[in-house]
Amino acid sequence: GQQVMQIPQYQHVQEGEDFTTYCNSSTTLSNIQWYKQRPGGHPVFLIQLVKSGEVKKQKRLTFQFGEAKKNSSLHITATQTTDVGTYFCAGIKAAGNKLTFGGGTRVLVKP
Amino acid sequence: EAGVAQSPRYKIIEKRQSVAFWCNPISGHATLYWYQQILGQGPKLLIQFQNNGVVDDSQLPKDRFSAERLKGVDSTLKIQPAKLEDSAVYLCASSPQGAVGELFFGEGSRLTVL
Repeated sequence: GQQVMQIPQYQHVQEGEDFTTYCNSSTTLSNIQWYKQRPGGHPVFLIQLVKSGEVKKQKRLTFQFGEAKKNSSLHITATQTTDVGTYFCAGIKAAGNKLTFGGGTRVLVKP
Repeated sequence: EAGVAQSPRYKIIEKRQSVAFWCNPISGHATLYWYQQILGQGPKLLIQFQNNGVVDDSQLPKDRFSAERLKGVDSTLKIQPAKLEDSAVYLCASSPQGAVGELFFGEGSRLTVL
């Protein structure tokens, strides 16, 4: 079945620094979504990418969809304490309708 | 706009007992999902409904789990009998159409099986 892997599993970041988390799928995706889950909370939608090579920005967050539509990345610049949480990517297999989540990247910010 | 409502928020039971969770999606959302999230892992899809029909239940342990969405609105997820490994947060989500768009999640129901 479809597998979605995320690396790293944990990310400790100094406040003000940048970091990137990566998402890789075993199959070609029709689209990919990113969610953020705060500690004790539920996943909240951040963005959806559909086109090959697509890049979208939300303030300090930059999302990219790979050319082959099998991988994606999330880059956060100037990390703040409000960025603490787990970031999940979730992909839909091409010609499918089931959203499969990765294992998440847990981000801790050191002030 | 009211969000996805779930109850109960917390439930503690002993193994072999039964439990039921309820979800009321955002009004007008045709698609409803139940995800299981074990501590430290990503959400795993258990079942997906489109209106009151099942779209995908390939990962639902059907010997102990059942779900229904009568009248295409709210839904219940039942576990009988529960096992220790069922301890998890059960997340309900809804979306206006298929899984192509944004999923709106409820707060979740945290189950502890002793």
